Amino acid sequence: GDSVTQMEGPVTLSEEAFLTINCTYTATGYPSLFWYVQYPGEGLQLLLKATKADDKGSNKGFEATYRKETTSFHLEKGSVQVSDSAVYFCALSDPNAGGTSYGKLTFGQGTILTVHP
Amino acid sequence: DVKVTQSSRYLVKRTGEKVFLECVQDMDHENMFWYRQDPGLGLRLIYFSYDVKMKEKGDIPEGYSVSREKKERFSLILESASTNQTSMYLCASSLIQGFGAFFGQGTRLTVV
Repeated sequence: GDSVTQMEGPVTLSEEAFLTINCTYTATGYPSLFWYVQYPGEGLQLLLKATKADDKGSNKGFEATYRKETTSFHLEKGSVQVSDSAVYFCALSDPNAGGTSYGKLTFGQGTILTVHP
Repeated sequence: DVKVTQSSRYLVKRTGEKVFLECVQDMDHENMFWYRQDPGLGLRLIYFSYDVKMKEKGDIPEGYSVSREKKERFSLILESASTNQTSMYLCASSLIQGFGAFFGQGTRLTVV
C-alpha cells in the first residue's frame, strides 16, 4: 500500500538557519504530493503541493520539488523564523489506490520544528 | 474563505458513553474525511464519505461509525468510548484528487 516516510524529529534550529525536512513516498499510482503545517492548538493547513514530476510547490518561502526518480518531496526554506515553529506533515493522494482516491491522504508521522531566536 | 468547522475543541467523556463528533463544511465538497492524530503516528484515516449516505472504511475503522445525511455534515460516532480512543480527531473535506483537503481545527477527546 501507499506510505510516506518523514525524517526523524524533532528539529531545532536558530532563526535564519536553513531548513530541510526529508520526505520519501511509496505509491502504486502517480500521486499528488503535499506539505501541511499544524501550528500549536490548530488544525492542519495546506502549505504547498505538486501534482506531477519536477513540479515545484512554493508558499511563504517554503519550497518542495516532486522528484519521481527518487520518490521524494523534501521541504526546504532558506531562512526560518520563530513563527515557523510548528509540526510539518508530508502527505500523498494516490488516484490509483482502489480506483479513485476521492482525495484521501496518506500522511507521514510529522516533524516537529522549533526555531529559537 | 473556506471553512470546516468541528463542533467542539475539547471533550471529556466516560468509558462506555456514546460520543458524537460533528463536522460541517461550507464549500459544497463531495468528499469528507475523519482522521485520528496521535504523536509519532501522524494522521490515520478512520472513515470517509464521497457522497450523501455513502461511506467507506479507512485504515482504522474499528470502534467507530459515521453518518452523512446532508452533503455539508459528516458525523463520527464512538459507539462505546474506550480509553484507547483518547486522541485528537480531525475532520477534512476535499473536492477532487490532487486538490488537497481542508481541515477543521480538531477535537481533542479524552475518555476517562
